[in-house]
Amino acid sequence: RKEVEQDPGPFNVPEGATVAFNCTYSNSASQSFFWYRQDCRKEPKLLMSVYSSGNEDGRFTAQLNRASQYISLLIRDSKLSDSATYLCVVIRINDKIIFGKGTRLHILP
Amino acid sequence: GAGVSQSPSNKVTEKGKDVELRCDPISGHTALYWYRQSLGQGLEFLIYFQGNSAPDKSGLPSDRFSAERTGGSVSTLTIQRTQQEDSAVYLCASSANGGDTQYFGPGTRLTVL
Repeated sequence: RKEVEQDPGPFNVPEGATVAFNCTYSNSASQSFFWYRQDCRKEPKLLMSVYSSGNEDGRFTAQLNRASQYISLLIRDSKLSDSATYLCVVIRINDKIIFGKGTRLHILP
Repeated sequence: GAGVSQSPSNKVTEKGKDVELRCDPISGHTALYWYRQSLGQGLEFLIYFQGNSAPDKSGLPSDRFSAERTGGSVSTLTIQRTQQEDSAVYLCASSANGGDTQYFGPGTRLTVL
């Protein structure tokens, strides 16, 4: 089993819809979690950290489920500009950093 | 303030040649990472520097790859005797401390002919 797994997509979602995707991790010693966004041919940029209690930033909500070892990202009222690849990042206690391969999201007009 | 910078932005080389890629991290950041990303693929971890500790080289794909970080700041990734499969975007990131948010440079697009 891969350390970090994401559904590669693509998720094709109409503008205004809500979309959610998950990222599973295999190592229970994982300590920190992030979602990064990567636009085509650009470098990844931090979207949001994922806290144990869950956190929200505008239309974006991130949640962590330690028992089932996954994190999720929910995007409400999706915009065309949300089209990108979303990378899940898991950091272990010894600072080992693992990137998921990303989930591609296409918002359709 | 200035972000992570990388040079060159594009590098085209012939198979068998050596290349050096440079990364200037954000000033004060103690952690520096190198990744590569092949077309349509996820990020592949290469090497991690944290302060004065020995680097984590566990991601380097072969002994043709090496990296150094001088004075705890600038880093150079060297690929010797390049092969066509080395073609990828090489991304550098830095963070204030290991495990903190990583800030990425724009990458170096390497093409080996």
